[in-house]
Amino acid sequence: QVQLVQSGAEVKKPGASVKVSCKASGYTFTSYDINWVRQATGQGLEWMGWMNPNSGNTGYAQKFQGRVTMTRNTSISTAYMELSSLRSEDTAVYYCAIVVVPAAMISGMDVWGQGTTVTVSS
Amino acid sequence: QSALTQPASVSGSPGQSITISCTGTSSDVGGYNYVSWYQQHPGKAPKLMIYEVSNRPSGVPDRFSGSKSGNTASLTISGLQAEDEADYYCSSYTSSSPYVFGTGTKVTVL
Repeated sequence: QVQLVQSGAEVKKPGASVKVSCKASGYTFTSYDINWVRQATGQGLEWMGWMNPNSGNTGYAQKFQGRVTMTRNTSISTAYMELSSLRSEDTAVYYCAIVVVPAAMISGMDVWGQGTTVTVSS
Repeated sequence: QSALTQPASVSGSPGQSITISCTGTSSDVGGYNYVSWYQQHPGKAPKLMIYEVSNRPSGVPDRFSGSKSGNTASLTISGLQAEDEADYYCSSYTSSSPYVFGTGTKVTVL
């Protein structure tokens, strides 16, 4: 079945960078755009951006422009989200998600990774 | 892009119906039929419950329904069950971003 499996928890110091991976299986990796969404503890969901795994084209939320980079390695069906200049407010669970059944990429994300906890602490 | 506005909490007894509102603007909810709803249990990833305002993915009970009027979208849960207790988030396409989420609503089954 269609599945997204993310890398394990990370602990980083302020100012460092973190790179989270999202390995896809059960479908052709280049078929669906990959979104990244984060959720701080006890807070709501926040959309960070998307990447087209076929072309590598990306679109980032304005809030993260200049700090986030989304890439992929098609040979291993894996997408990456790197966030730099980390601060305590970036402590959150980071999810990758795709739109499979709905018709359009903007219709609603129906397959999610399990989440990766990133803790930023000195 | 500001988050869409949802009530912080909604509660109901088993078997009752509840409705969660999601208020935006003409640049998001009111301007496009790309409203989606997610259910999230503690410690779990969100689950898509409604897409494109009123469509249910396969496997989602028909107790869940979605609608929209003007700049406000709504999720109705009919015949409330204990397992429906969770956080719910709306989301919409916007003129400046593919997705913006709502502030989230905690549903409590009394």
